[in-house]
Amino acid sequence: GQQVMQIPQYQHVQEGEDFTTYCNSSTTLSNIQWYKQRPGGHPVFLIQLVKSGEVKKQKRLTFQFGEAKKNSSLHITATQTTDVGTYFCAGVANSGYALNFGKGTSLLVTP
Amino acid sequence: DTEVTQTPKHLVMGMTNKKSLKCEQHMGHRAMYWYKQKAKKPPELMFVYSYEKLSINESVPSRFSPECPNSSLLNLHLHALQPEDSALYLCASSRLEKLFFGSGTQLSVL
Repeated sequence: GQQVMQIPQYQHVQEGEDFTTYCNSSTTLSNIQWYKQRPGGHPVFLIQLVKSGEVKKQKRLTFQFGEAKKNSSLHITATQTTDVGTYFCAGVANSGYALNFGKGTSLLVTP
Repeated sequence: DTEVTQTPKHLVMGMTNKKSLKCEQHMGHRAMYWYKQKAKKPPELMFVYSYEKLSINESVPSRFSPECPNSSLLNLHLHALQPEDSALYLCASSRLEKLFFGSGTQLSVL
């Protein structure tokens, strides 16, 4: 079945440093989504990427979808303490019907 | 702020108890979901309702029984749970495949 792998599992940065998490699927995805879950909170939708090679920006966050629609990345420029949380990618296979979540990357930002 | 409301926020129950989790959304979404999330793990899909009909059951044990009384409400009935069922139970609705999660019910089974 479809698997969505995400790395790294954990990342600890100093405030102001950049951060990147990577997501890779074993099968071609129809779209990929990113969610953020703060400690003690629930996942919150960030963005959806649909097109091959798509790049979207939200302030300091940059999301990319690979040309083959099998991988994606989330890059945060100049992290802030408010960026703390777990970032999940979630993909829908071309032949599938439900989101498959990656294991998530937990980001810790120290001042 | 989430527009998917879940009650209760916390629940402690014994293995012989019967309880229900409730979820409500008024965004007009026609797909609703139950997810289970263990600490430091991703959400795991349990059930999907589409237009008030159960469309996906991810091989969930029968001690979990979902119900969708109408397009705005989703319940999860719990009976004879095991301690390993302790987790955060998340309800979600979707529009164009984007999920909107509720705050969840933190369930502890003793």
